[in-house]
Amino acid sequence: NAGVTQTPKFRVLKTGQSMTLLCAQDMNHEYMYWYRQDPGMGLRLIHYSVGEGTTAKGEVPDGYNVSRLKKQNFLLGLESAAPSQTSVYFCASAQGSLGKGDEQFFGPGTRLTVL
Amino acid sequence: AQKVTQAQTEISVVEKEDVTLDCVYETRDTTYYLFWYKQPPSGELVFLIRRNSFDEQNEISGRYSWNFQKSTSSFNFTITASQVVDSAVYFCALSLPEMEYGNKLVFGAGTILRVKS
Repeated sequence: NAGVTQTPKFRVLKTGQSMTLLCAQDMNHEYMYWYRQDPGMGLRLIHYSVGEGTTAKGEVPDGYNVSRLKKQNFLLGLESAAPSQTSVYFCASAQGSLGKGDEQFFGPGTRLTVL
Repeated sequence: AQKVTQAQTEISVVEKEDVTLDCVYETRDTTYYLFWYKQPPSGELVFLIRRNSFDEQNEISGRYSWNFQKSTSSFNFTITASQVVDSAVYFCALSLPEMEYGNKLVFGAGTILRVKS
């Protein structure tokens, strides 16, 4: 049982390049999330999904797109990377609603640097 | 507005000292959940505790204890007899009813705890 995994662990991009971060969970969770973590700012929600085929915007969605074609996978795309997107990205999943107190399980993170 | 404030950016203690991490939250809702997560140097976030807004009982788990006070909108975390392995970033977070706010956690900025031997 791997829990939540993220691919890749590290990546360096040049401004304007595109890339996709992959998140996979094997817990059959309905809810999945993408966060970014920046120094002194905690975690900020980028996008989330409440089930296969659904996506919704979080706090900082601009410059990112997501897709949830399969229940176990949640992809985060950067179409044209900018230096402001240099960050550590975390994926998380939960069985139920956070509003009902369900616990989130986090992946190990992806460190992205945009030059 | 919904907000979580962790005013202590960084705390340094010597092993075996007790330390309290403060968390103050803002919400007008009566139904909400509060969480604490730990992020050790390895980077992965680990769930520590959840508390709903209707349960003000304090909780103790080994060396960890949590004090929830609605009157002061605080959910503080105390580590007794700290150990080097407690060195981490600790996040407090708030979740709200999904129907009104979507499925989200509002995180505080985190407190870096350094425990020296």
